[in-house]
Amino acid sequence: EPEVTQTPSHQVTQMGQEVILRCVPISNHLYFYWYRQILGQKVEFLVSFYNNEISEKSEIFDDQFSVERPDGSNFTLKIRSTKLEDSAMYFCASIPGQGATGELFFGEGSRLTVL
Amino acid sequence: LAKTTQPISMDSYEGQEVNITCSHNNIATNDYITWYQQFPSQGPRFIIQGYKTKVTNEVASLFIPADRKSSTLSLPRVSLSDTAVYYCLVGDPMDTGRRALTFGSGTRLQVQP
Repeated sequence: EPEVTQTPSHQVTQMGQEVILRCVPISNHLYFYWYRQILGQKVEFLVSFYNNEISEKSEIFDDQFSVERPDGSNFTLKIRSTKLEDSAMYFCASIPGQGATGELFFGEGSRLTVL
Repeated sequence: LAKTTQPISMDSYEGQEVNITCSHNNIATNDYITWYQQFPSQGPRFIIQGYKTKVTNEVASLFIPADRKSSTLSLPRVSLSDTAVYYCLVGDPMDTGRRALTFGSGTRLQVQP
């Protein structure tokens, strides 16, 4: 069964450092998302991406965050200067397209620890 | 987007049927109701989706009354491996490519032996 893959599974970084989290969505999917989940809290929407541009973003997704689909397969989330409160699980998800069930296919997540 | 309300937690025993209800009073005409399951340190996983009446698959059933202001996820004969957080989401599948699907706080189900 096709799946969304994310790397790295766990990254530890120092506050102020840049971090790039990578995702390979399912190959024929068109819509891509990043969510995050702080330990013990709910899954929070960060950003949605379609046709090489951001469709929607939340208040969390400030100027420190950016997304990119550089080569037609990878979908990356960059945090420019990490803060302690950025420590969380980051989930990538994708959807085949409009008119499908709308089922989000999630990756296994990347755990980011900011020290 | 329709806001959802679920119980924070539920407890059950192996072999019992578990029903988790979600309220979505301002659901829109084109919205579907979708339930996800999340195990610790894993991404949420689709369980079931419906628009009205009853939907059943190999994992669960989803009951939606005529007014669609609530829905109930039914898990038959739960096992320890069903211990997870269950999320109810409401949204228009034709719109989800452009708009965010927002997760509520979810219901933490604990199944005891």
